[in-house]
Amino acid sequence: QQQVKQSPQSLIVQKGGISIINCAYENTAFDYFPWYQQFPGKGPALLIAIRPDVSEKKEGRFTISFNKSAKQFSLHIMDSQPGDSATYFCAASFTGGFKTIFGAGTRLFVKA
Amino acid sequence: DVKVTQSSRYLVKRTGEKVFLECVQDMDHENMFWYRQDPGLGLRLIYFSYDVKMKEKGDIPEGYSVSREKKERFSLILESASTNQTSMYLCASSLVGTGGSYEQYFGPGTRLTVT
Repeated sequence: QQQVKQSPQSLIVQKGGISIINCAYENTAFDYFPWYQQFPGKGPALLIAIRPDVSEKKEGRFTISFNKSAKQFSLHIMDSQPGDSATYFCAASFTGGFKTIFGAGTRLFVKA
Repeated sequence: DVKVTQSSRYLVKRTGEKVFLECVQDMDHENMFWYRQDPGLGLRLIYFSYDVKMKEKGDIPEGYSVSREKKERFSLILESASTNQTSMYLCASSLVGTGGSYEQYFGPGTRLTVT
C-alpha cells in the first residue's frame, strides 16, 4: 500500500516537445507529492511539489497535474530542452515528511 | 544555500568489513535520512532520524545501523559489508514539516562497491 508506481522508465523527447511522466499511489494518507530532478553525479533536488487539495500547480515550464479520485499525478515539462535531460522521481510523503516513498525514476533524454 | 556533504564519493570495501558513511548538513535541520539508490528501484529509505540520538527504521534497515550524536551529523554503518550492499547511498536532511514543504536536501551520494 506504500508503493508509488512511476512510468515510463525512460523517455526520449524532441527539443520543444512536451515530456509527460506519470505516477500512481494507493495510500490516501499521503499528503505531499514532490517531484525531484537528478543530474548525473548529483543528488536529487526538489523540482516542484503539490498537496492533494490542489489539482494543478505550475512553475515555469513545469506543471504537476493531480487527480485525487484516481490517485494519480503527473509531471508535464513544456518546451522541453536538452538541459532538462535528467532522471525524474515522483514521490509521496506522509504527514510531517518523516517518510517519503519514491517512484522508480524516469530517465528523460531531450534530443537537440 | 543548504549544504549536505557526504564523506566519500567513491568507496571500495571487502566483504565482511565494517563500513562507515558520514553525512553532515549545515542548515540546522531536525530530520536526516539515509537512502540507497539502485537502478529501477528508485530511492529506498534505510533509516531516518528526527532528533539527536533518535532513529527510526525505514523500509530496508537489515544489515545497517545508524548513529546521530550531533544534530548536524548522521552516520550509516554497515556492520559486515556484503556484495548485495553495493549501491549508491544518499543522505538527505529536511526541516520538520508543519503543513508547509517537506523538501529534502540531498548530498551528492557515495557509490559503495563491496568486493
